[in-house]
Amino acid sequence: EIVLTQSPGTLSLSPGDRATLSCRASQNVASSYLGWYQQRPGQAPRLLIYGTSSRATGIPDRFSGSGSGTDFTLTISRLEPEDFAVYYCQQYGLSPPMYTFGQGTKLQIK
Amino acid sequence: QVQLQESGPGLVKPSQTLSLTCSVSGDSVATGTNFWHWIRQPAGKGLEWIGRIYSRGGTDYNPSLNSRISISLDTSNNQFSLRLTSATAADTAIYFCARTDITIFGVIEDWGQGTRVTVSS
Repeated sequence: EIVLTQSPGTLSLSPGDRATLSCRASQNVASSYLGWYQQRPGQAPRLLIYGTSSRATGIPDRFSGSGSGTDFTLTISRLEPEDFAVYYCQQYGLSPPMYTFGQGTKLQIK
Repeated sequence: QVQLQESGPGLVKPSQTLSLTCSVSGDSVATGTNFWHWIRQPAGKGLEWIGRIYSRGGTDYNPSLNSRISISLDTSNNQFSLRLTSATAADTAIYFCARTDITIFGVIEDWGQGTRVTVSS
Protein backbone atom coordinates (compact mmCIF):
# COMPACT_ATOMS: atom_id res chain seq x y z
CA GLU A 1 0.00 0.00 0.00
CA ILE A 2 1.30 3.45 -0.94
CA VAL A 3 1.63 5.86 1.97
CA LEU A 4 1.32 9.60 1.37
CA THR A 5 3.16 11.97 3.72
CA GLN A 6 2.23 15.64 3.64
CA SER A 7 4.40 18.49 4.85
CA PRO A 8 4.35 20.69 6.70
CA GLY A 9 1.72 19.56 9.16
CA THR A 10 0.75 23.17 9.78
CA LEU A 11 1.56 26.20 7.65
CA SER A 12 1.06 29.72 9.02
CA LEU A 13 0.81 32.43 6.38
CA SER A 14 -0.94 35.74 5.75
CA PRO A 15 -3.53 36.66 3.10
CA GLY A 16 -1.73 37.55 -0.10
CA ASP A 17 1.16 35.14 0.60
CA ARG A 18 2.10 32.20 -1.59
CA ALA A 19 1.52 28.74 -0.12
CA THR A 20 3.44 25.63 -1.12
CA LEU A 21 2.18 22.29 0.19
CA SER A 22 4.07 19.04 -0.31
CA CYS A 23 2.92 15.45 -0.72
CA ARG A 24 5.47 12.65 -0.83
CA ALA A 25 4.56 9.07 -1.76
CA SER A 26 6.29 5.91 -0.51
CA GLN A 27 6.26 4.56 -4.09
CA ASN A 28 5.80 6.05 -7.53
CA VAL A 29 2.29 7.36 -8.21
CA ALA A 30 0.94 7.69 -11.72
CA SER A 31 0.36 11.37 -12.42
CA SER A 32 -3.15 10.61 -13.64
CA TYR A 33 -4.07 9.33 -10.19
CA LEU A 34 -3.01 12.16 -7.87
CA GLY A 35 -5.50 14.68 -6.51
CA TRP A 36 -5.81 17.45 -3.94
CA TYR A 37 -8.76 18.43 -1.74
CA GLN A 38 -9.65 21.36 0.49
CA GLN A 39 -11.66 20.87 3.66
CA ARG A 40 -13.02 23.79 5.62
CA PRO A 41 -14.21 23.27 9.22
CA GLY A 42 -17.54 21.48 9.38
CA GLN A 43 -17.63 20.88 5.63
CA ALA A 44 -17.04 18.01 3.28
CA PRO A 45 -13.80 17.90 1.30
CA ARG A 46 -13.85 19.68 -2.06
CA LEU A 47 -11.89 18.44 -5.05
CA LEU A 48 -9.36 21.05 -6.19
CA ILE A 49 -6.94 19.23 -8.49
CA TYR A 50 -7.06 15.93 -10.39
CA GLY A 51 -4.46 14.26 -12.56
CA THR A 52 -1.71 16.14 -10.63
CA SER A 53 -2.30 19.47 -12.36
CA SER A 54 -5.85 19.81 -13.73
CA ARG A 55 -8.18 22.12 -11.84
CA ALA A 56 -11.64 20.80 -11.03
CA THR A 57 -14.70 22.69 -12.20
CA GLY A 58 -15.02 26.12 -10.60
CA ILE A 59 -11.61 26.12 -8.91
CA PRO A 60 -9.82 29.50 -9.16
CA ASP A 61 -6.59 29.65 -11.12
CA ARG A 62 -4.61 30.68 -8.03
CA PHE A 63 -4.62 26.94 -7.23
CA SER A 64 -2.10 24.86 -9.18
CA GLY A 65 -0.66 21.39 -8.88
CA SER A 66 2.60 19.90 -10.07
CA GLY A 67 4.95 16.99 -9.58
CA SER A 68 5.70 13.46 -10.66
CA GLY A 69 6.89 10.12 -9.35
CA THR A 70 6.92 10.43 -5.57
CA ASP A 71 6.87 14.22 -5.08
CA PHE A 72 3.84 16.40 -5.66
CA THR A 73 3.05 20.00 -4.80
CA LEU A 74 -0.05 22.14 -4.40
CA THR A 75 0.61 25.86 -4.79
CA ILE A 76 -1.77 28.66 -3.92
CA SER A 77 -0.38 31.78 -5.55
CA ARG A 78 -2.04 34.50 -3.46
CA LEU A 79 -3.93 33.43 -0.38
CA GLU A 80 -7.49 34.62 0.07
CA PRO A 81 -9.18 34.50 3.52
CA GLU A 82 -11.34 31.56 2.42
CA ASP A 83 -8.25 29.47 1.55
CA PHE A 84 -7.33 28.86 5.18
CA ALA A 85 -8.37 25.25 5.63
CA VAL A 86 -6.98 21.71 5.69
CA TYR A 87 -5.61 20.27 2.45
CA TYR A 88 -5.32 16.60 1.60
CA CYS A 89 -3.50 14.85 -1.21
CA GLN A 90 -4.87 11.54 -2.46
CA GLN A 91 -3.67 8.80 -4.76
CA TYR A 92 -5.46 5.97 -6.52
CA GLY A 93 -3.94 2.53 -6.72
CA LEU A 94 -4.90 -0.10 -9.25
CA SER A 95 -4.08 -3.32 -7.50
CA PRO A 96 -6.20 -3.56 -5.51
CA PRO A 97 -8.31 -0.56 -6.58
CA MET A 98 -8.07 1.79 -3.64
CA TYR A 99 -7.93 5.47 -2.73
CA THR A 100 -5.51 6.62 -0.03
CA PHE A 101 -5.15 10.06 1.51
CA GLY A 102 -2.31 11.95 3.11
CA GLN A 103 -2.71 13.04 6.72
CA GLY A 104 -3.40 16.63 5.75
CA THR A 105 -1.76 20.06 5.97
CA LYS A 106 -3.52 22.72 8.01
CA LEU A 107 -3.14 26.16 6.46
CA GLN A 108 -3.77 28.76 9.13
CA ILE A 109 -3.67 32.53 9.32
CA LYS A 110 -0.46 33.94 10.73
CA GLN B 1 -24.98 19.39 -10.48
CA VAL B 2 -25.30 16.15 -8.57
CA GLN B 3 -26.29 16.35 -4.91
CA LEU B 4 -25.78 13.62 -2.33
CA GLN B 5 -27.38 13.28 1.09
CA GLU B 6 -26.46 10.71 3.72
CA SER B 7 -29.01 9.32 6.17
CA GLY B 8 -29.10 6.71 8.88
CA PRO B 9 -28.86 6.15 12.63
CA GLY B 10 -26.53 8.48 14.48
CA LEU B 11 -25.94 5.91 17.22
CA VAL B 12 -25.09 2.24 16.77
CA LYS B 13 -24.41 -0.27 19.52
CA PRO B 14 -21.13 -2.20 19.51
CA SER B 15 -21.27 -5.49 17.56
CA GLN B 16 -24.35 -4.30 15.62
CA THR B 17 -24.49 -3.40 11.94
CA LEU B 18 -24.00 0.19 10.83
CA SER B 19 -26.29 0.97 7.89
CA LEU B 20 -26.32 4.21 5.92
CA THR B 21 -28.08 5.36 2.77
CA CYS B 22 -27.07 8.01 0.26
CA SER B 23 -29.84 9.71 -1.69
CA VAL B 24 -28.76 11.08 -5.04
CA SER B 25 -30.33 13.90 -7.05
CA GLY B 26 -29.21 15.45 -10.31
CA ASP B 27 -27.93 12.14 -11.68
CA SER B 28 -28.97 8.51 -11.78
CA VAL B 29 -27.16 5.82 -9.83
CA ALA B 30 -27.97 3.54 -12.75
CA THR B 31 -26.06 5.69 -15.25
CA GLY B 32 -23.11 3.67 -16.41
CA THR B 33 -20.61 6.51 -16.11
CA ASN B 34 -20.19 6.88 -12.36
CA PHE B 35 -18.57 5.37 -9.31
CA TRP B 36 -20.41 5.83 -6.01
CA HIS B 37 -18.24 5.93 -2.88
CA TRP B 38 -18.28 5.84 0.89
CA ILE B 39 -15.52 7.61 2.84
CA ARG B 40 -15.23 8.24 6.57
CA GLN B 41 -13.42 10.63 8.87
CA PRO B 42 -13.01 10.18 12.61
CA ALA B 43 -13.36 13.43 14.52
CA GLY B 44 -10.27 15.58 14.10
CA LYS B 45 -8.54 13.01 11.90
CA GLY B 46 -7.93 12.24 8.24
CA LEU B 47 -9.96 10.59 5.51
CA GLU B 48 -10.36 6.86 4.95
CA TRP B 49 -11.87 5.45 1.77
CA ILE B 50 -14.30 2.64 2.55
CA GLY B 51 -15.36 1.40 -0.86
CA ARG B 52 -17.19 2.09 -4.12
CA ILE B 53 -19.81 0.63 -6.38
CA TYR B 54 -19.97 1.02 -10.09
CA SER B 55 -23.27 1.93 -11.70
CA ARG B 56 -23.39 -1.55 -13.19
CA GLY B 57 -23.00 -3.15 -9.78
CA GLY B 58 -19.34 -4.05 -9.41
CA THR B 59 -17.73 -3.19 -6.08
CA ASP B 60 -14.29 -2.49 -4.65
CA TYR B 61 -13.61 -2.31 -0.93
CA ASN B 62 -10.78 -1.11 1.31
CA PRO B 63 -8.89 -4.32 2.15
CA SER B 64 -8.70 -3.30 5.80
CA LEU B 65 -12.51 -3.35 6.00
CA ASN B 66 -13.31 -5.86 3.27
CA SER B 67 -14.68 -8.60 5.48
CA ARG B 68 -17.16 -6.28 7.20
CA ILE B 69 -18.56 -4.02 4.49
CA SER B 70 -20.94 -4.21 1.60
CA ILE B 71 -22.18 -1.47 -0.73
CA SER B 72 -25.30 -1.83 -2.84
CA LEU B 73 -27.42 0.15 -5.29
CA ASP B 74 -31.15 0.84 -5.09
CA THR B 75 -31.95 2.07 -8.57
CA SER B 76 -35.69 2.35 -7.93
CA ASN B 77 -35.07 4.99 -5.24
CA ASN B 78 -31.88 6.43 -6.79
CA GLN B 79 -29.86 5.57 -3.69
CA PHE B 80 -26.89 3.52 -2.66
CA SER B 81 -26.16 2.05 0.75
CA LEU B 82 -23.38 0.99 3.09
CA ARG B 83 -23.52 -1.88 5.58
CA LEU B 84 -20.70 -2.31 8.07
CA THR B 85 -21.03 -5.32 10.37
CA SER B 86 -19.62 -5.92 13.85
CA ALA B 87 -19.28 -2.22 14.60
CA THR B 88 -16.80 -1.06 17.25
CA ALA B 89 -15.87 2.29 18.75
CA ALA B 90 -13.18 2.55 16.07
CA ASP B 91 -15.96 2.92 13.50
CA THR B 92 -17.14 6.17 15.11
CA ALA B 93 -16.73 8.83 12.42
CA ILE B 94 -18.37 11.19 9.99
CA TYR B 95 -19.44 9.14 6.97
CA PHE B 96 -19.51 10.76 3.53
CA CYS B 97 -21.06 9.45 0.35
CA ALA B 98 -19.58 10.68 -2.91
CA ARG B 99 -19.47 10.33 -6.67
CA THR B 100 -16.83 10.19 -9.38
CA ASP B 101 -17.30 10.36 -13.11
CA ILE B 102 -15.66 7.42 -14.79
CA THR B 103 -13.51 9.75 -16.91
CA ILE B 104 -11.57 10.91 -13.83
CA PHE B 105 -12.08 7.87 -11.64
CA GLY B 106 -8.76 8.41 -9.85
CA VAL B 107 -10.24 11.11 -7.63
CA ILE B 108 -13.52 11.73 -5.81
CA GLU B 109 -15.53 14.57 -7.30
CA ASP B 110 -18.76 15.32 -5.51
CA TRP B 111 -19.33 14.80 -1.80
CA GLY B 112 -22.33 14.74 0.48
CA GLN B 113 -22.26 16.88 3.61
CA GLY B 114 -21.59 13.83 5.81
CA THR B 115 -23.41 12.19 8.67
CA ARG B 116 -21.98 11.56 12.13
CA VAL B 117 -22.17 8.02 13.46
CA THR B 118 -21.23 7.09 17.00
CA VAL B 119 -20.70 3.49 18.06
CA SER B 120 -21.44 3.23 21.76
CA SER B 121 -23.59 1.27 24.18
